[in-house]
Amino acid sequence: DVKVTQSSRYLVKRTGEKVFLECVQDMDHENMFWYRQDPGLGLRLIYFSYDVKMKEKGDIPEGYSVSREKKERFSLILESASTNQTSMYLCASSPTSGGAIRQYFGPGTRLTVT
Amino acid sequence: AQTVTQSQPEMSVQEAETVTLSCTYDTSESDYYLFWYKQPPSRQMILVIRQEAYKQQNATENRFSVNFQKAAKSFSLKISDSQLGDAAMYFCAYRGYTSGTYKYIFGTGTRLKVLA
Repeated sequence: DVKVTQSSRYLVKRTGEKVFLECVQDMDHENMFWYRQDPGLGLRLIYFSYDVKMKEKGDIPEGYSVSREKKERFSLILESASTNQTSMYLCASSPTSGGAIRQYFGPGTRLTVT
Repeated sequence: AQTVTQSQPEMSVQEAETVTLSCTYDTSESDYYLFWYKQPPSRQMILVIRQEAYKQQNATENRFSVNFQKAAKSFSLKISDSQLGDAAMYFCAYRGYTSGTYKYIFGTGTRLKVLA
C-alpha cells in the first residue's frame, strides 16, 4: 500500500515565523503536490513537483516555496507565516507511469498561525 | 480553464437508503479523468471511484457508482445502502493534461451525513 506521511498533524506558529511542512512518500512516485484545504473552497494547489529539484507553481503559490532534494520528500516552506495561511495542508503523490492518474494523499497538517 | 462545481455543500441520508451527490465540470479537453474522493473526519483522503472520459460505461465499485454524462459535463456519485461509515466529505476531482502538465482540479466538497 502506498504511504504518504506528513511531519505533523497539528502545528501552531506565530506570525512571521518560518514554517516547514514535510511530506514523505514510500512508493517512488515522481509527482508530488501540496494543497491547502479551506471550508467552502475545496483543495487548491500551491505547488507541485514532477521530479527531483523540479517544481511548478500551482494556483496559489504566493507566500510559499517548496524544496525537493530527494525523490521521496517534498517540503513546503512558509517564509514568513501570516494569519491568512492558517489552513489544512495536504500533500499528495502520484506515479507518472500510467499517466499520473491517481493521487495518494497524506493525513494533512492543520496549521494555525497566531 | 477547467472548473469543477459541487453545488451541494451538505447532504443527509438515512442509513440503508440511497443518496446521489452532484458534480459538474467544464473543460475543452477530450481526454481526461474524473474522480470522487472521500475524506472521513480527521482521516486521510481516499479514492472512491474514477471514470475515464473515453469510456462510455459508468464506473462501479461495490455500493458506489457514477452517472457520467459527458455531453452534459455531469459526474454524479450514487451511494447505495448507505452506511454510517460513509459519513465524510466527498470531493469531485478532474485530471486533465494541458501544455505538457497534468492538471488536477477539485470541487469545493459535499459533506455527507448518514442518519441512524
